[in-house]
Amino acid sequence: AQSVTQLDSQVPVFEEAPVELRCNYSSSVSVYLFWYVQYPNQGLQLLLKYLSGSTLVKGINGFEAEFNKSQTSFHLRKPSVHISDTAEYFCADYNTNAGKSTFGDGTTLTVKP
Amino acid sequence: DAGVTQSPTHLIKTRGQQVTLRCSPKSGHDTVSWYQQALGQGPQFIFQYYEEEERQRGNFPDRFSGHQFPNYSSELNVNALLLGDSALYLCASSWGGGNYEQYFGPGTRLTVT
Repeated sequence: AQSVTQLDSQVPVFEEAPVELRCNYSSSVSVYLFWYVQYPNQGLQLLLKYLSGSTLVKGINGFEAEFNKSQTSFHLRKPSVHISDTAEYFCADYNTNAGKSTFGDGTTLTVKP
Repeated sequence: DAGVTQSPTHLIKTRGQQVTLRCSPKSGHDTVSWYQQALGQGPQFIFQYYEEEERQRGNFPDRFSGHQFPNYSSELNVNALLLGDSALYLCASSWGGGNYEQYFGPGTRLTVT
């Protein structure tokens, strides 16, 4: 079985503060992991991905994530957020055996001035 | 380079009717996956089309069907619409039958009344 759990449904933060959005995955097979951002009334945009190699992955817009196999986590971080980062963020995996992607329920990031 | 396009943008249907949604993949992509995103939830995988065949399917009833054309574009058909089918329907394209690196379209918002 596979699942992706986003531990926080809402994360409010002040502008220029650091932020971490938490994601845990559960899979006994090799996985690829992703973070997507969704702005209101839009589709999903890929922020970053982990396929293999270095466990620290850098993405667009200053975001990065760390793959932690022992803790089965893939948390998303940004050292200083902007108002424009306000959006819905989704963690997802791709199970190579099943050939399917599973998305978490999303985390709403609200950046306040 | 055109990204993934979907039509229509919005659609209102009545219970029991049938609907067809359309998707054109990103240039160079040959694989199309469809997702349903209910309000406040993450996308749920419906199915994937590659080489004009349904290759993978999520936990959706047979009322949901699709097609892929020789130019790689795709249609999603839903018969006997239910109120619960109201959602944002997202199309994602990728290359080579593997959907781990997907590009999403803006979605079609379906409202069933």
